[in-house]
Amino acid sequence: SQELEQSPQSLIVQEGKNLTINCTSSKTLYGLYWYKQKYGEGLIFLMMLQKGGEEKSHEKITAKLDEKKQQSSLHITASQPSHAGIYLCGATQGAQKLVFGQGTRLTINP
Amino acid sequence: KAGVTQTPRYLIKTRGQQVTLSCSPISGHRSVSWYQQTPGQGLQFLFEYFSETQRNKGNFPGRFSGRQFSNSRSEMNVSTLELGDSALYLCASSLGPGSSQPQHFGDGTRLSIL
Repeated sequence: SQELEQSPQSLIVQEGKNLTINCTSSKTLYGLYWYKQKYGEGLIFLMMLQKGGEEKSHEKITAKLDEKKQQSSLHITASQPSHAGIYLCGATQGAQKLVFGQGTRLTINP
Repeated sequence: KAGVTQTPRYLIKTRGQQVTLSCSPISGHRSVSWYQQTPGQGLQFLFEYFSETQRNKGNFPGRFSGRQFSNSRSEMNVSTLELGDSALYLCASSLGPGSSQPQHFGDGTRLSIL
């Protein structure tokens, strides 16, 4: 079965700094999703990537899917306290079944 | 447009009891999936329903079951509760099956087993 590994597991950055979170798959990715979760709450959909080399941006968050479609990165520019939370990558594994990475806990220090 | 609504938000049960959780998808969404989230195992897929039919099932025991109604609302049931069933249960909806349809999640039901 497909496994997703996220790195780093946790990240503490100073407000205003840039950061990158990586998601590596054991198999080819046919649909890669990025979600954000605040503790104890639901997941907020950020972006979906499907094509190798695809890059999408929303506000200060950019996500890329590499050409070989086995790794994705999420980049935040000029981080803000509102970016704090747990970032999860998910990959489709047949129909609507998503498998998720273990998550990256992001803390933004003022 | 209202998001995915899950009820109740919090639930406390004792071992051996059973529980039913409810999920109302986003209007127009016909596919509903359920996930269990625990600190140790992370997010794990339970099952997926579309047009009142279970289309996909994760690796969970038969104590975990679900159903979907004609209005796309879904319920999941856990019988003979065990301490290990304590978790955040998340429901997600999408327009339909297919990897091009992003899933949108509710805020979850936090189930605690005493």
